Amino acid sequence: AQSVTQPDIHITVSEGASLELRCNYSYGATPYLFWYVQSPGQGLQLLLKYFSGDTLVQGIKGFEAEFKRSQSSFNLRKPTVHWSDAAEYFCAVGRGNDMRFGAGTRLTVKP
Amino acid sequence: DGGITQSPKYLFRKEGQNVTLSCEQNLNHDAMYWYRQDPGQGLRLIYYSQIVNDFQKGDIAEGYSVSREKKESFPLTVTSAQKNPTAFYLCATRVLGQGANEQFFGPGTRLTVL
Repeated sequence: AQSVTQPDIHITVSEGASLELRCNYSYGATPYLFWYVQSPGQGLQLLLKYFSGDTLVQGIKGFEAEFKRSQSSFNLRKPTVHWSDAAEYFCAVGRGNDMRFGAGTRLTVKP
Repeated sequence: DGGITQSPKYLFRKEGQNVTLSCEQNLNHDAMYWYRQDPGQGLRLIYYSQIVNDFQKGDIAEGYSVSREKKESFPLTVTSAQKNPTAFYLCATRVLGQGANEQFFGPGTRLTVL
């Protein structure tokens, strides 16, 4: 069965530090992979996506993610976190109408 | 101004009432989706529609109904049969076709049952 796991419910990092948010998936076919960000009370905004080619993808706001097929992972990274990055982050995998979302990782940024 | 509009932003319902959440888009996207979001559970698919006058149940369709009379509109009705309707509801759209067609999301409607 298709599933997405985000092992970290909540992460706290200091402003200026680096960030890595983990995402593991189980999917029968080669999936398309996405990372979304959600501010409180708002909809989801796409940060980046992967469907083929270079396994390191760049997104908006300085985020990047690396697809590792052998580990079924698609981890999100940012070298330097800003206070405005505080939000909830969702990993999603799927094809067509079959999109599965992780439970989310809430990011807190300390000054 | 292109995008997805959801209204109202906040909605309060008494037990036993049906309520309808609006979702309108001017992106000319073919597919539209309704998700329910609960804390710690991510997003769960309620219904989706790829063309006018056709829609499919998602994982948690019980207690909900939809219609797709126009390409631009996909309203969701939360019926009295939905036992725990308090949640944040998100509408999304997608272009159909090949490639990594991501979903675009509206700002959401928070429904509270009093």
